[in-house]
Amino acid sequence: QKEVEQNSGPLSVPEGAIASLNCTYSDRGSQSFFWYRQYSGKSPELIMSIYSNGDKEDGRFTAQLNKASQYVSLLIRDSQPSDSATYLCAVLTDKLIFGTGTRLQVFP
Amino acid sequence: EAQVTQNPRYLITVTGKKLTVTCSQNMNHEYMSWYRQDPGLGLRQIYYSMNVEVTDKGDVPEGYKVSRKEKRNFPLILESPSPNQTSLYFCASSLSRAHGYTFGSGTRLTVV
Repeated sequence: QKEVEQNSGPLSVPEGAIASLNCTYSDRGSQSFFWYRQYSGKSPELIMSIYSNGDKEDGRFTAQLNKASQYVSLLIRDSQPSDSATYLCAVLTDKLIFGTGTRLQVFP
Repeated sequence: EAQVTQNPRYLITVTGKKLTVTCSQNMNHEYMSWYRQDPGLGLRQIYYSMNVEVTDKGDVPEGYKVSRKEKRNFPLILESPSPNQTSLYFCASSLSRAHGYTFGSGTRLTVV
């Protein structure tokens, strides 16, 4: 079982819709959770971090954490074509482990 | 501007020829790390450092060396590169393990 799992996608959504990206993790002791955005050919960029159960909002982005169910999600409201990228989930246990990413395509 | 600077951006080399990829950060971060990114495998940690003179192996350390003589610099050394080290490499730094990383622009290495 992979330690951090993401659906590879692509996830295709129309412009203006809500994109929902999901991530599950295996270590119940995980304490810190991150979402990175990576455009093709570029480096990962940190967009959200979350440390406690519940929702955390930042602009059009909302991160949701449920430790009991061991999942973390990222919602992107009013999706734009510029949001088209690969989104990486990362979970901190004794080390930072990345998922393989979900490719998001937002079409006009 | 706060950043992590990696050099070179692109490198083609031959098997067995020693090379160094440099990494420098200007944010006074304690924690630095090297990752390689391969299709289907995601980001895998090579080495990390929690402070000056403190380094430790990540998940895929074989064939690599690092050093942390100064807080700002964390070079990655390939003593005898092989074709299976062809990859996209990222250096990253953070204030601590609990904080998110800032990544460098990446180094695309090809070993022929």
